[in-house]
Amino acid sequence: LAKTTQPISMDSYEGQEVNITCSHNNIATNDYITWYQQFPSQGPRFIIQGYKTKVTNEVASLFIPADRKSSTLSLPRVSLSDTAVYYCLVGDRATGTASKLTFGTGTRLQVTL
Amino acid sequence: ETGVTQTPRHLVMGMTNKKSLKCEQHLGHNAMYWYKQSAKKPLELMFVYNFKEQTENNSVPSRFSPECPNSSHLFLHLHTLQPEDSALYLCASSQEGSGLNSPLHFGNGTRLTVT
Repeated sequence: LAKTTQPISMDSYEGQEVNITCSHNNIATNDYITWYQQFPSQGPRFIIQGYKTKVTNEVASLFIPADRKSSTLSLPRVSLSDTAVYYCLVGDRATGTASKLTFGTGTRLQVTL
Repeated sequence: ETGVTQTPRHLVMGMTNKKSLKCEQHLGHNAMYWYKQSAKKPLELMFVYNFKEQTENNSVPSRFSPECPNSSHLFLHLHTLQPEDSALYLCASSQEGSGLNSPLHFGNGTRLTVT
């Protein structure tokens, strides 16, 4: 199983762009990279998923270099409401192995004025 | 609204009580999961059901007993719990199958306190 490493915490001011990098050195060929956001006392919420290069949606962008050994979640112009824990997961979802996805400790993002 | 509804939101129970947690998903998914999240710990996968069949039991003590009567409903029956079982219990669902990369959809959890 691909293990992920993320910073434990990050701080940002409102309006700034935040980039959270996740390392996954032993990512397998069929593995996808998925990011979740979790607010206190709520379940994690899917943000974005990608396999290679760049993926963008209305919430965030995901940058994946050619070697896929890391990925960066980019949150444009964060607001106070983006204060949460962000999880990076790596796993092969195509073959129904969701149970093999492992949540790490995540990155606690604190946004202030 | 996440499409996955968990009840109750909060539960306090004594160690000799029997209670059940309920989860219902309105997303048409075929797989459902129970996770446990203790304070300052990562989410731990407890049970997985695919098409109502249990496919994973990650060494969970027998005082936790899951039930999946259909692909939309999942229960977690609790009995003779310990104080260390106090945690946020999260239910999730997803669409599993070949060629799909469906993300997990979580409910907002049941905050369980064992006294």
